[in-house]
Amino acid sequence: GQNIDQPTEMTATEGAIVQINCTYQTSGFNGLFWYQQHAGEAPTFLSYNVLDGLEEKGRFSSFLSRSKGYSYLLLKELQMKDSASYLCAVVDSNYQLIWGAGTKLIIKP
Amino acid sequence: ETGVTQTPRHLVMGMTNKKSLKCEQHLGHNAMYWYKQSAKKPLELMFVYNFKEQTENNSVPSRFSPECPNSSHLFLHLHTLQPEDSALYLCASSQDPPGQTGGYTFGSGTRLTVV
Repeated sequence: GQNIDQPTEMTATEGAIVQINCTYQTSGFNGLFWYQQHAGEAPTFLSYNVLDGLEEKGRFSSFLSRSKGYSYLLLKELQMKDSASYLCAVVDSNYQLIWGAGTKLIIKP
Repeated sequence: ETGVTQTPRHLVMGMTNKKSLKCEQHLGHNAMYWYKQSAKKPLELMFVYNFKEQTENNSVPSRFSPECPNSSHLFLHLHTLQPEDSALYLCASSQDPPGQTGGYTFGSGTRLTVV
């Protein structure tokens, strides 16, 4: 079967750095998305990786290793507004999105 | 506002009621989706419409009935639901297939409570 694993919950301190990991086993691979979802709101697009390596976008970076079936989302200079759930999703060989259960990130002052 | 609008935001309904959820997008996307989101579970894909044609129905119970009158509008008709159907129902749209353009654009969802 297809599976996406990510930690259920993480806690970090304002101003610090946090890395949210995502591992996947899917039938084929056509890219990996990270979305941010604040409580009661729509998931919003953060990043898309289809090639190995690190993509940096301001305070957020996303890394992909296709050979290891592994990605991470790196958040720097954490702010209170970064408290949210972070969803990892893989596009499989049929161009369907396979979703992880999300990681709830709690930022403490 | 994400470009995908869902109404209502909240809905409480009895098990014998009939209600409908509405979704509207004006992003020019050709695919629209209904997802169910339950606490601590992955998003569950329910239905996919591509150019108004239903291309996927993930074994969803018949008490959920989708309707896509055109490429901008999507409905989910609800009838005789069960308490376990209480969840956040998300509508999304995309250019099919999803990719670098940003994948899916989601609506804010309808928080459904079945009593």
